[in-house]
Amino acid sequence: NAGVTQTPKFQVLKTGQSMTLQCAQDMNHEYMSWYRQDPGMGLRLIHYSVGAGITDQGEVPNGYNVSRSTTEDFPLRLLSAAPSQTSVYFCASTIADGGNSPLHFGNGTRLTVT
Amino acid sequence: ILNVEQSPQSLHVQEGDSTNFTCSFPSSNFYALHWYRWETAKSPEALFVMTLNGDEKKKGRISATLNTKEGYSYLYIKGSQPEDSATYLCAFRGYGGSQGNLIFGKGTKLSVKP
Repeated sequence: NAGVTQTPKFQVLKTGQSMTLQCAQDMNHEYMSWYRQDPGMGLRLIHYSVGAGITDQGEVPNGYNVSRSTTEDFPLRLLSAAPSQTSVYFCASTIADGGNSPLHFGNGTRLTVT
Repeated sequence: ILNVEQSPQSLHVQEGDSTNFTCSFPSSNFYALHWYRWETAKSPEALFVMTLNGDEKKKGRISATLNTKEGYSYLYIKGSQPEDSATYLCAFRGYGGSQGNLIFGKGTKLSVKP
């Protein structure tokens, strides 16, 4: 059972480039989300999805797009990377949007934008 | 803006010491409180999800208590071991909205010296 798989683990982009961070889970979880972790900050929610075809914005959505065409996959797109998007990104999933089930996290993607 | 505060920010203890830290959260509209353990270079792993005032949860040498009326939760580690060294995160969720309202604190970083 792989759990939550994120790729790539590391990425360096130039300002203005675009890329997609991949996230897949094999636990049949309905809820998936993306967080970013910056020094001195707590994990901040970027976007989330409560099921296939449904997405919504979190606390810091600007500069990021998401889609959820299948239950398993929840990619995060940076359309035009900016240095402010240098961060560590975590994808997380849970059984359903119930609030009382724990999140399962991927291993993170460390992104540097120069 | 909802605020989740964790104290202390960091803690250094000797092997065998017992320790505890605090998570403070809004006392109104409480739904759930999560605790996660986050080792360096790994992803956060769930310890507890607590939903009822007065709840106490235990996993090995780690336990947690919850006071929703006054808005705090304590995490206790009995007889700390070097492998307990990690950052401990709490996350609060209130009523209304989806798990998109899960708000993380900045964490308490525990270092256990052999």
